[in-house]
Amino acid sequence: SAVISQKPSRDICQRGTSLTIQCQVDSQVTMMFWYRQQPGQSLTLIATANQGSEATYESGFVIDKFPISRPNLTFSTLTVSNMSPEDSSIYLCSANRGGMNEQYFGPGTRLTVT
Amino acid sequence: TQLLEQSPQFLSIQEGENLTVYCNSSSVFSSLQWYRQEPGEGPVLLVTVVTGGEVKKLKRLTFQFGDARKDSSLHITAAQTGDTGLYLCAGSITGNQFYFGTGTSLTVIP
Repeated sequence: SAVISQKPSRDICQRGTSLTIQCQVDSQVTMMFWYRQQPGQSLTLIATANQGSEATYESGFVIDKFPISRPNLTFSTLTVSNMSPEDSSIYLCSANRGGMNEQYFGPGTRLTVT
Repeated sequence: TQLLEQSPQFLSIQEGENLTVYCNSSSVFSSLQWYRQEPGEGPVLLVTVVTGGEVKKLKRLTFQFGDARKDSSLHITAAQTGDTGLYLCAGSITGNQFYFGTGTSLTVIP
């Protein structure tokens, strides 16, 4: 298994500002992902964080709005840029070891934009 | 449009009752997973199924993968209050990315 931590756990931000969320895994992993979730609802995949190359974004998500870094095999960041109230959500980081059919999640970052 | 549709969306039952949650798609998956999520936490993996027709049991939970690997079900026997949570199925086509179902919110009433 893998233990994943996220910082911050929650934040309240003003519109127009940016927030960077950190994701740390306790062991090296092949794949890291970022998801968004409204409370009580399903998860929507934002992007796959690739180590050493640009992230791969899902339809509806763009790099300018959600820049992602993955400097090594245990760490990734997601920035939510130029925030609006519509960005209020829970942001979740996950990781798997590629092809092992197991995915582990961090506890999430609850973001509120006022 | 969600790749995986779950039903029901909400379920409220008495402790001791049985229930089944369904996860359906028109896509074929190389593997399918079930998660349970509690408020303020990330989803926790319950099971992974990879073979069409596969059945896995985890105590009172029974998971089945459809023969065509397009659908799955989760059956809970004699539900307990500790089973309360959001149940999510997630399918993978390539073995790397997982796409989540619409979710089923289960409340077990004592």
